[in-house]
Amino acid sequence: RKEVEQDPGPFNVPEGATVAFNCTYSNSASQSFFWYRQDCRKEPKLLMSVYSSGNEDGRFTAQLNRASQYISLLIRDSKLSDSATYLCVVNVLSGSARQLTFGSGTQLTVLP
Amino acid sequence: NAGVTQTPKFRILKIGQSMTLQCTQDMNHNYMYWYRQDPGMGLKLIYYSVGAGITDKGEVPNGYNVSRSTTEDFPLRLELAAPSQTSVYFCASSSGTASPLHFGNGTRLTVT
Repeated sequence: RKEVEQDPGPFNVPEGATVAFNCTYSNSASQSFFWYRQDCRKEPKLLMSVYSSGNEDGRFTAQLNRASQYISLLIRDSKLSDSATYLCVVNVLSGSARQLTFGSGTQLTVLP
Repeated sequence: NAGVTQTPKFRILKIGQSMTLQCTQDMNHNYMYWYRQDPGMGLKLIYYSVGAGITDKGEVPNGYNVSRSTTEDFPLRLELAAPSQTSVYFCASSSGTASPLHFGNGTRLTVT
């Protein structure tokens, strides 16, 4: 089983729609969680950290479910500019140090 | 503030050639990372460093070497380039293992 798994999509949604992505992780000792956004042929950029109590940043809401070991990202009122790949990132123990592990990403296309 | 700077942006190598990908950061981050991203795939950790003089292998270290003589610089060396090393390489840094990553713009490498 992969350490971090995401539905690859693609998700094609109309402008204004609400879309949600899930990400599951296998290591119950994971402590830090993030969502990154990656535009085509660009570097990943931090979208938001995910806190235990859940957190919101404008149209974006992130939630963590430790019992079921998944995190989610909800995007409300989708804009064309939200089209990108969304990467789930989890801090897992790997070897001698904790490392951030990336999911393969979920591709979102917002259609006019 | 430059952040994380990678050079070169693009490179074509012949099989068996060697090269060094340069990465420097000006944020005084202790943690630095090299990732590779194959088309349509997630990022895989090649090597990482928790401070000057300290490096360790990630998930896919074979065929690569690194050094960390200063806090700012973390070069990645390919000794005998192989077609399987065709990829996009991202350098990143962070202030701690639970902190978000700051990425460079990436180096697109093709080995033919």
